[in-house]
Amino acid sequence: KNEVEQSPQNLTAQEGEFITINCSYSVGISALHWLQQHPGGGIVSLFMLSSGKKKHGRLIATINIQEKHSSLHITASHPRDSAVYICAVSPGNQFYFGTGTSLTVIP
Amino acid sequence: KAGVTQTPRYLIKTRGQQVTLSCSPISGHRSVSWYQQTPGQGLQFLFEYFSETQRNKGNFPGRFSGRQFSNSRSEMNVSTLELGDSALYLCASSGRGADGELFFGEGSRLTVL
Repeated sequence: KNEVEQSPQNLTAQEGEFITINCSYSVGISALHWLQQHPGGGIVSLFMLSSGKKKHGRLIATINIQEKHSSLHITASHPRDSAVYICAVSPGNQFYFGTGTSLTVIP
Repeated sequence: KAGVTQTPRYLIKTRGQQVTLSCSPISGHRSVSWYQQTPGQGLQFLFEYFSETQRNKGNFPGRFSGRQFSNSRSEMNVSTLELGDSALYLCASSGRGADGELFFGEGSRLTVL
């Protein structure tokens, strides 16, 4: 049983496209995190959400607590956005992770 | 502000040995959490410490243990290593635990032969 489901698993986009990655979860949570991992690299936290919407530059994250769903949007995608994006949920002091979405942005 | 530091970055062990990994959090952060990442299982939560107390533990056997010191530095130990323990072990620090922003270290890559 997977507490966190992400879609799509793989995504290829042309530079400049609008991208959406989805995350659905089945447990009650206190927070949801969106993480970014570059090949061979460490993990960077993009967003931590408990409600509503957050925006950092070209990245937007939304969460609907009632529907247990979150989305990560990338506007005007760029090749440097190529990475694995991971959704993580926390019911409180522990974490469940999605399997990640591998994004490739082609120039 | 210095980031999260994990040591060693790479290590090779043989089956049956034990290993200790270290994580120094960002100054002022009292929460340290540990994760295992493998190609097959992805990221999995190991445990979380806050002010020297383990607050939660993931679904791993007792061979996996950890501790946190009064300066918030944390160590994890894996005893009686198995081939399946080969993985990237990551730690993250936070000012608040799971409800706060996570700052990850670069990880310790363990290979068990």
